[in-house]
Amino acid sequence: DGGITQSPKYLFRKEGQNVTLSCEQNLNHDAMYWYRQDPGQGLRLIYYSQIVNDFQKGDIAEGYSVSREKKESFPLTVTSAQKNPTAFYLCASRNRGQGYAYGYTFGSGTRLTVV
Amino acid sequence: DAKTTQPNSMESNEEEPVHLPCNHSTISGTDYIHWYRQLPSQGPEYVIHGLTSNVNNRMASLAIAEDRKSSTLILHRATLRDAAVYYCILRLNQGGKLIFGQGTELSVKP
Repeated sequence: DGGITQSPKYLFRKEGQNVTLSCEQNLNHDAMYWYRQDPGQGLRLIYYSQIVNDFQKGDIAEGYSVSREKKESFPLTVTSAQKNPTAFYLCASRNRGQGYAYGYTFGSGTRLTVV
Repeated sequence: DAKTTQPNSMESNEEEPVHLPCNHSTISGTDYIHWYRQLPSQGPEYVIHGLTSNVNNRMASLAIAEDRKSSTLILHRATLRDAAVYYCILRLNQGGKLIFGQGTELSVKP
């Protein structure tokens, strides 16, 4: 079955370390998105990519970086510059070619904790 | 960016209909209205979306006001598995971004 796989499900990081969250999709979707969710809050957009080798900043991109070298993959790096990285991170994808006849597909998330 | 306003929480009884309201008074003509729901520690799940006309699918119905400044998600018969946080979201034309609000936490009583 097609879907989005995020790994790992839980991640612990020491302060000052960079860490990379994986997001892989086999839906052949063009566009991919990274969101951050804090307890009791809605999701906030970090970065998004509409095609390979292209990406744009979302509302809270500071302290994060991404790459989109392959259509299937959109990894997110949380750098040491991110002051409060402890959060639940969600990856999503969408097929631009289908217009908006379909919704977005989300992964099951990675919970990052800084220790 | 256009924003949505939803009640923080709602309660329903099992097997009764639920109407979840959403206000989006600053919506633009090209913004789609999306609804997603999220269970604890899981990613959001697509429920339904629409532009101008009311929409029905196997999960729910979406009623959109004529002026598009508000919409209502209708669950025809609530089940315990429908207990979740429901997000009313505008899909912005630029980049297809979804802008999430706080959502409505729906609890369903047996």
